[in-house]
Formats: sequence, structure tokens, C-alpha cells
Amino acid sequence: QVQLQESGPGLVKPSQTLSLTCTVSGGSISSGSYYWSWIRQPAGKGLEWIGRIYTSGSTNYNPSLKSRVTISVDTSKNQFSLKLSSVTAADTAVYYCARAPNHWYFDLWGRGTLVTVSS
Amino acid sequence: QSALTQPASVSGSPGQSITISCTGTSSDVGSYNLVSWYQQHPGKAPKLMIYEGSKRPSGVSNRFSGSKSGNTASLTISGLQAEDEADYYCCSYAGSSTYVVFGGGTKLTVL
Repeated sequence: QVQLQESGPGLVKPSQTLSLTCTVSGGSISSGSYYWSWIRQPAGKGLEWIGRIYTSGSTNYNPSLKSRVTISVDTSKNQFSLKLSSVTAADTAVYYCARAPNHWYFDLWGRGTLVTVSS
Repeated sequence: QSALTQPASVSGSPGQSITISCTGTSSDVGSYNLVSWYQQHPGKAPKLMIYEGSKRPSGVSNRFSGSKSGNTASLTISGLQAEDEADYYCCSYAGSSTYVVFGGGTKLTVL
């Protein structure tokens, strides 16, 4: 079955760029009409949608993060990635990658990866 | 502050039914039948329980049901079981500018 796995540095310095990758295994990232999203959750708090990408490269971003976010896809590696620039402590969170059918819900999630922003 | 409003906590005894509300606006919950619900156990990733308001993914117990009235969506869990104790989040499409909004989450305690 299809699985998602996040990877990337667990510690990022303030003002730097957070970079994460989500690897899709057990199936092709290009099969089916799926969008691929990033969602984050600060400790003890709720979920926040960051943005999504289709395998064509089309993206949508949370307006509150749009100026700092870039999501890209590499179909040859079956991966999609997140870059969040100019990070502050407020960006410390567990970051999840998730799959969405061609509608606005998330049917498959990665296990999440904790990213801490600290000097 | 989350865009969708959920009660911070609800509780119920085994076998009982509980309902978690999710209040939005005419720009999100009220305008689209695109509310989803997620269950999250501590330290785990969220799990989809309800999508498009009232549909259950394969494998999700029929004890879970979703509904909507106006700007408020609801998740009902019947026949409460100990394993249902978790945090629950609602989510709604909010149009082509905002896209997706989540609720702040509700902690369900099974007494």
C-alpha cells in the first residue's frame, strides 16, 4: 500500500530556510488524480495547512504563508518537497505530508517529522 | 485562533453517543459540502474519519457519522469505546483564496 515518509533536518536556525522532502512508496506519485500537501502542527496545538502541489506542478498555498513557501515535485524520485524561508520559533512544529484526492480532504498521511527552529 | 470553532473537550461513557460540533461561516462550512474529520491519537498522525460531510472511508467504523446544518458541521460517535479517546479535528474547504481551514481540535475523553 502507498506510504508517505517525511525527511529533513530536525533543527533549523532562525532566519534560515526549512527544507523537507516527502517520499511516496508503494505507488507512483503520478498515478491517480491526487494532490500532495504539507500540513504542520505546533506542539499541543491544532493543524495548519501549508500548501499543495499536483504532479503537473500546479500549486496552491496558505495565504498566511504564501510569501515564504515553495512546494515542488520530482516525479522521477517519487518525491515532493517543502521549503519555508525566513523561519522563526513560531515555525517550530511537526510537519506532515499528506495525500488528497481531487477534493479537499486528506486520506493518507506521513508519520510526521519534528522541526525545531532554534539557534 | 483557528478558523473553525470546536469545543475544547467532550466526554462520554462507554456505549454512549457524543457529538462534536465545528462552527464556521458562510465562507467555508456553510458554502461547501467539503467538511472532513480527523482522529489523532497522541504522538500519531491524523486519520481521516469522515469526508465530504458524511462519507466514511473504507475501514472506518459505522459508529462514526457526520452531518451539517448551516454553518455548523458535526461528528457523532455512537457506542463509545475506549479506543475512541483521541483528539478530533474538523477541516473545511474555504474557497479559492483561503483554500483549507482547520478547527482547533476537540479532546474526547472516554470515562
